[in-house]
Amino acid sequence: QVQLQESGPGLVKPSQTLSLTCTVSGASISSASYFWSWIRQPAGKGLEWIGRIYSRGSSDYSPSFKSRVTIFSDTSKNHFSLKLNSVTVADAAVYYCATGFIVETGNTFSVWGQGTVVTVSS
Amino acid sequence: EIVLTQSPATLSVSPGEDATLSCRASQSVSSNLAWYQQRPGQAPRLLIYSASTRATDIPARFSGSGSGTEFTLTISSLQSEDFAVYYCQQYHEWPPAFTFGPGTKVDIK
Repeated sequence: QVQLQESGPGLVKPSQTLSLTCTVSGASISSASYFWSWIRQPAGKGLEWIGRIYSRGSSDYSPSFKSRVTIFSDTSKNHFSLKLNSVTVADAAVYYCATGFIVETGNTFSVWGQGTVVTVSS
Repeated sequence: EIVLTQSPATLSVSPGEDATLSCRASQSVSSNLAWYQQRPGQAPRLLIYSASTRATDIPARFSGSGSGTEFTLTISSLQSEDFAVYYCQQYHEWPPAFTFGPGTKVDIK
């Protein structure tokens, strides 16, 4: 059973870089059967897909974030990470990591982490 | 980018009644549409993928239908745990730009 756990600072200053990590258990992050995504949810609002990593380091990003986001993996630690540059108060949200078993459910998110709250404030 | 709209924004239903939620896409997504349930304080849970296939362990009272630009999630005989926010998500675009609808809140009438 795949499980995900987000970690990282809960407070980031404006203009700085938000960095989060998602630790994966129950599956190898190198597996071609899965993709690994970041999704966020501002307080009281809906879900926004940020991007994903898959197939040995390939990545796709939402056009809304493409200019300032990087998602990468560390296979030795079986985790993947998010870096979002130049944050503003609009980037405050619950950040989720999520995955899907491509061959079964396609590009949907069947497993989610519990989410981590990120506040942007000086 | 494909835009999803959901209606209604809020649906008030009595326990035991049925609920019908709609999701409309700005262009065809074929059957590449999923539905999620999010209870307060929890992460979303995948209910339906490929427009009509229930995910693992999802009760049969949840059903999805539609293709192209019009989709429906039906919840039969609502139970207390079904009062939540429901989101649709498309995964049709390539390069991928997965998008979610704004959500429909199902609350107790």
